[in-house]
Amino acid sequence: DTEVTQTPKHLVMGMTNKKSLKCEQHMGHRAMYWYKQKAKKPPELMFVYSYEKLSINESVPSRFSPECPNSSLLNLHLHALQPEDSALYLCASSQDRQGFEQFFGPGTRLTVL
Amino acid sequence: GQSLEQPSEVTAVEGAIVQINCTYQTSGFYGLSWYQQHDGGAPTFLSYNALDGLEETGRFSSFLSRSDSYGYLLLQELQMKDSASYFCAADNYGQNFVFGPGTRLSVLP
Repeated sequence: DTEVTQTPKHLVMGMTNKKSLKCEQHMGHRAMYWYKQKAKKPPELMFVYSYEKLSINESVPSRFSPECPNSSLLNLHLHALQPEDSALYLCASSQDRQGFEQFFGPGTRLTVL
Repeated sequence: GQSLEQPSEVTAVEGAIVQINCTYQTSGFYGLSWYQQHDGGAPTFLSYNALDGLEETGRFSSFLSRSDSYGYLLLQELQMKDSASYFCAADNYGQNFVFGPGTRLSVLP
């Protein structure tokens, strides 16, 4: 299984809502990533988990809260988002934190109203 | 910090060869990756260079010169399905991972 799955595919939320994005991989990878991608822009790294511990937080606002319950799952909890947070949120995994060959999920298209 | 530069757009015809360049400035550097992303799709890994020289994977090759802080992706025998955005990405000893701005490749019949 060389697939990274993400749910939901689309999410519309208000600025006062709380929602979560989910990501799962069964490749035995020990590093998992969250990226944010705006239209016609490159993916921007948000968080990296290595061996289920947060190893990189790229100065992301606290309204984004990552969680890694186990080596296969990665969540991104969302609260009090702003309209400018609307974007494609991509999850990826790699063998380890060196991370050069990352496998990406299809993403969650988030719209904040 | 890290910053990467790529041409914004490249156009070529089917069957041709195209080279997409990437220059980088980093405070630390481990290797350069290349990813392809079709419209509406997720990035997919193409190639990686940690050492100077050429890496070949089928129709795609990637080159790195650490002394020049420069790399390129070479696509041969272009096909229509190669029309996509191509990103170089630099990793910094696992501390950071930064994508370049992307190059939009259009393959014409």
